[in-house]
Amino acid sequence: DAGVIQSPRHEVTEMGQEVTLRCKPISGHDYLFWYRQTMMRGLELLIYFNNNVPIDDSGMPEDRFSAKMPNASFSTLKIQPSEPRDSAVYFCASSLLGGPTRYEQYFGPGTRLTVT
Amino acid sequence: GDSVTQMEGPVTLSEEAFLTINCTYTATGYPSLFWYVQYPGEGLQLLLKATKADDKGSNKGFEATYRKETTSFHLEKGSVQVSDSAVYFCALWPYSNYQLIWGAGTKLIIKP
Repeated sequence: DAGVIQSPRHEVTEMGQEVTLRCKPISGHDYLFWYRQTMMRGLELLIYFNNNVPIDDSGMPEDRFSAKMPNASFSTLKIQPSEPRDSAVYFCASSLLGGPTRYEQYFGPGTRLTVT
Repeated sequence: GDSVTQMEGPVTLSEEAFLTINCTYTATGYPSLFWYVQYPGEGLQLLLKATKADDKGSNKGFEATYRKETTSFHLEKGSVQVSDSAVYFCALWPYSNYQLIWGAGTKLIIKP
């Protein structure tokens, strides 16, 4: 399996611009998570989906952030408008509730976002 | 609420030294416990896990034992290598929902 795929790997944008991060989970996985990682705040869960339905978005920092999962193989995280404090590494992870690996979250390589 | 506390880093050791990274937790019930590792420029990956008290998880020479009496899950390795340099995260799954509760991470630096 190719693992969790994220794009782009790096994104540099100017303040005020819209940013869209993309994620393809592992085929067959039924949970998808979006995380943000910064030096100051560590690893933060932003939102997670089960079978394409958002379950908990309490970690989404502001209304500027939105996430969608239109189907089982694709999810987006959008920031509009972006601000310098959004600069971070954004990770997508997926997991499967059933089976022997039910506890394990598989992470993508991350998208490093820089907002100038 | 549920929480995980890890020792602060960075932890700097010489190659072949003995490693301990402390992790303690607060949780109701009987959570599952995990160690994840993040190598530079990569996402996190599961290193080992333990699902009940007194279980020992092990992988790649690393070990951790689920100690309910001390609410701890310390990570150990007998002889570290330069390639073990990474950030290590302790986490728990409380069963009450499907979120992992993460520690802050401990950066490990191994010098040749």
